[in-house]
Amino acid sequence: EVQLVESGGGLVQPGRSLRLSCAASGFTFDDYAMDWVRQAPGKGLEWVSGISWNSGSIGYADSVKGRFTISRDNAKNSLYLQMNSLRAEDTALYYCAKGSAAGYGQDYFDYWGQGTLVTVSS
Amino acid sequence: SYVLTQPPSVSVAPGKTARITCGGNNIGSKSVHWYQQKPGQAPVLVIYYDSDRPSGIPERFSGSNSGNTATLTISRVEAGDEADYYCQVWDSSSDQVFGGGTKLTVL
Repeated sequence: EVQLVESGGGLVQPGRSLRLSCAASGFTFDDYAMDWVRQAPGKGLEWVSGISWNSGSIGYADSVKGRFTISRDNAKNSLYLQMNSLRAEDTALYYCAKGSAAGYGQDYFDYWGQGTLVTVSS
Repeated sequence: SYVLTQPPSVSVAPGKTARITCGGNNIGSKSVHWYQQKPGQAPVLVIYYDSDRPSGIPERFSGSNSGNTATLTISRVEAGDEADYYCQVWDSSSDQVFGGGTKLTVL
């Protein structure tokens, strides 16, 4: 059974940093791309970032480019999102999602975690 | 940037057919994927590559894509189908893109 468990969310002040983690199990982690998707309270889904199986290809939404960094550790079956210079508009539930292919992009998300809540407020 | 447009809401009576559209410039040339999200839950993939169904998704769910509109069709709608539905595509200039979502209400 595929499981994705996010952690690391919390309340943080504007301008500070936070690192999210996603622990994956139930599939061969290094065979697939992984992504982060967020959902602000009461709003729709917004893709944040994606990374290919070997970290060779990475992408970011314009809204987070230059502030967020995605990474993965295939030995630990884990995905990460380093979030710097956080803003109030980054407040959202952050989902870890498994890509359907090894390469990042041009795929869909076949499994999702339950999300970790990030609240940016002073 | 590439934009996907969905109606904010669709209402349907039980047993009838619901159609949720997703509009985009020449979307027919792209692969469209659909997700169902019930309140307080993570999204679930219901259609991929325009019309394929993951295992476990009822045959009542189907999809089509042509021209500037992709459509998710839910036949014989049940109360349990009430949820938000999102379309998604990959675009070379915009990366992964989601539609704004459609709230399906079962009357």
